[in-house]
Amino acid sequence: VQLLDSGGGLVQPGGSLRLSCAASGFTFSNFALSWVRQAPGKGLEWVSAISNSGGSTYYADSVKGRFTISRDNSKNTLYLQMNSLRAEDTAVFYCAKGDYYESSGHYLLAFDVWGQGTMVTVSS
Amino acid sequence: EIVMTQSPATLSVSPGERATLSCRASQSVTSNLAWYQQKPGQAPRLLIFDASTRATGIPARFSGSGSGTEFTLTISSLQSEDFAVYYCQQYNNWPRTFGQGTKLEIK
Repeated sequence: VQLLDSGGGLVQPGGSLRLSCAASGFTFSNFALSWVRQAPGKGLEWVSAISNSGGSTYYADSVKGRFTISRDNSKNTLYLQMNSLRAEDTAVFYCAKGDYYESSGHYLLAFDVWGQGTMVTVSS
Repeated sequence: EIVMTQSPATLSVSPGERATLSCRASQSVTSNLAWYQQKPGQAPRLLIFDASTRATGIPARFSGSGSGTEFTLTISSLQSEDFAVYYCQQYNNWPRTFGQGTKLEIK
């Protein structure tokens, strides 16, 4: 079971970046996925989540209207499109595997698998 | 939004001793509470889920307790590899929220 984050880099304030998270070793389409970030020297901040089908999405207030989460279940890949980036968005971004969905219901789960993280630096 | 508050911010303990970390939620999260360990330069690792269930491969010296709004992570006999930062997180409501972390350092 593995998540592999990619797509980070240096971007100017106001710019855009798209992160990707490739999954393997589990049934991707049965699980919700989240993005969690960590600014340098700071704690963990949940950013966004998407349900197994992509039909429901959730955002932290700090990124609402600027970030868009999506997924492609045919490619086992999660995405985070980040627009209007600010200096305060500088952080390591992790994808994480969460809630489980099946025909009998939706099960709330902790983040049991994490990507290795990808660094996003917003600076001029 | 549910606010998670951890205490203390820093805990100094000698190897072999017991460490007790606390986490309080601003409203009930039932038992949907997890604890993570993070070491420098690494991704967080899940230790405890459902407030008291150890994740796969986590040693028995780690235990969790509590429900509702008050939770505790106990490490019964600290090993050198346990000195790290620990976070609690609720997954009962959106947005998912983390505590600010407790740094466990060697005394």
